[in-house]
Amino acid sequence: NAGVTQTPKFRILKIGQSMTLQCTQDMNHNYMYWYRQDPGMGLKLIYYSVGAGITDKGEVPNGYNVSRSTTEDFPLRLELAAPSQTSVYFCASSSRWGAQFFGPGTRLTVL
Amino acid sequence: EDQVTQSPEALRLQEGESSSLNCSYTVSGLRGLFWYRQDPGKGPEFLFTLYSAGEEKEKERLKATLTKKESFLHITAPKPEDSATYLCAVQAAQGGSEKLVFGKGTKLTVNP
Repeated sequence: NAGVTQTPKFRILKIGQSMTLQCTQDMNHNYMYWYRQDPGMGLKLIYYSVGAGITDKGEVPNGYNVSRSTTEDFPLRLELAAPSQTSVYFCASSSRWGAQFFGPGTRLTVL
Repeated sequence: EDQVTQSPEALRLQEGESSSLNCSYTVSGLRGLFWYRQDPGKGPEFLFTLYSAGEEKEKERLKATLTKKESFLHITAPKPEDSATYLCAVQAAQGGSEKLVFGKGTKLTVNP
């Protein structure tokens, strides 16, 4: 049981490039989330999904897009990367009203 | 707006020196309060969920308690391996939202 997995672990992007952060969970959770964590700022919710085909914006969605075609996968797309998107990104999943379980994170640097 | 404030921001303890971390919250009806542990370079690891005032949960040297306005994470006789950042989060009962609102965390360092 791997839980929540994320790829890649690290990535450096140039300004204006695009990339997709991958997230997969094997706990059959309907709810999935993307957060970013900046030093001293805590975890901020970017997007979340309550099931396949359903997504909604969180607190800081600008510059990001998501899709949810299966229960297991919830990729996060960055279009036109900017230095302000330098951060650590965490994916999480949960059952309804349950605790969220987090992946190991992706450390992204935009130069 | 739902808010979570954790204090102190950082805490240094000697091994065996017990202490408490505080999580104060304002939420439009509390469904659950969650504690996580986060080690450097890793994702948050779930510790406890508390649902109602007066509830307590324990795990090894950690005990979490809940009142109507705050939660405490008590650490008894800590060891260096308890060094980590501890995060608190709340989930509101109203609005049909499963989202969590996180505090900024308390960085705990336990010196041998």
